[in-house]
Amino acid sequence: AQSVTQLDSQVPVFEEAPVELRCNYSSSVSVYLFWYVQYPNQGLQLLLKYLSGSTLVKGINGFEAEFNKSQTSFHLRKPSVHISDTAEYFCAVSRMDSSYKLIFGSGTRLLVRP
Amino acid sequence: KAGVTQTPRYLIKTRGQQVTLSCSPISGHRSVSWYQQTPGQGLQFLFEYFSETQRNKGNFPGRFSGRQFSNSRSEMNVSTLELGDSALYLCASSLSGEITEAFFGQGTRLTVV
Repeated sequence: AQSVTQLDSQVPVFEEAPVELRCNYSSSVSVYLFWYVQYPNQGLQLLLKYLSGSTLVKGINGFEAEFNKSQTSFHLRKPSVHISDTAEYFCAVSRMDSSYKLIFGSGTRLLVRP
Repeated sequence: KAGVTQTPRYLIKTRGQQVTLSCSPISGHRSVSWYQQTPGQGLQFLFEYFSETQRNKGNFPGRFSGRQFSNSRSEMNVSTLELGDSALYLCASSLSGEITEAFFGQGTRLTVV
């Protein structure tokens, strides 16, 4: 079975500061990795995904993430956050051999303060 | 190109009633998946439909059911509603069921009172 752990339920940060949202996963098989963002009362928007190749993945809105297989981590980073980045962020995995569903972490609320 | 459309956006129902939610996928997409999001359990996979057939199912009771029509639109039904069914229900569509290529709708917020 697969599981995803997001270590921080809430991350407060000042505007224009860098941020890292942590994600660790557990799986006995190879997985794809994803980060989604959810604004209040909205659906999920894909920020970025790791399927194969370079372990550094760049996404939308200036976000990037690095896949670390040895540490089973996929941390999300942004060098300078904006007020508009305030949202809930979800890390998710999907089995490579059966990629019909996502298994999500519990989410991290990013709160950007002026 | 229109995105994934879920209707209604908000719904209030009474315990014991049943409810039907609708999801219209992106044009050309043949797979629709459903997820439930609650504060306690987080985001959980309900089921996936492809070409009018349920291909995969999550670990939910039989009160949760769905179907898909020939135009790929999907409906989800919950019978005998319980307070714990209050949630945001999200659907995702993709061409063939690969979640790597899926897009999510805005969700339907169901409140059971």
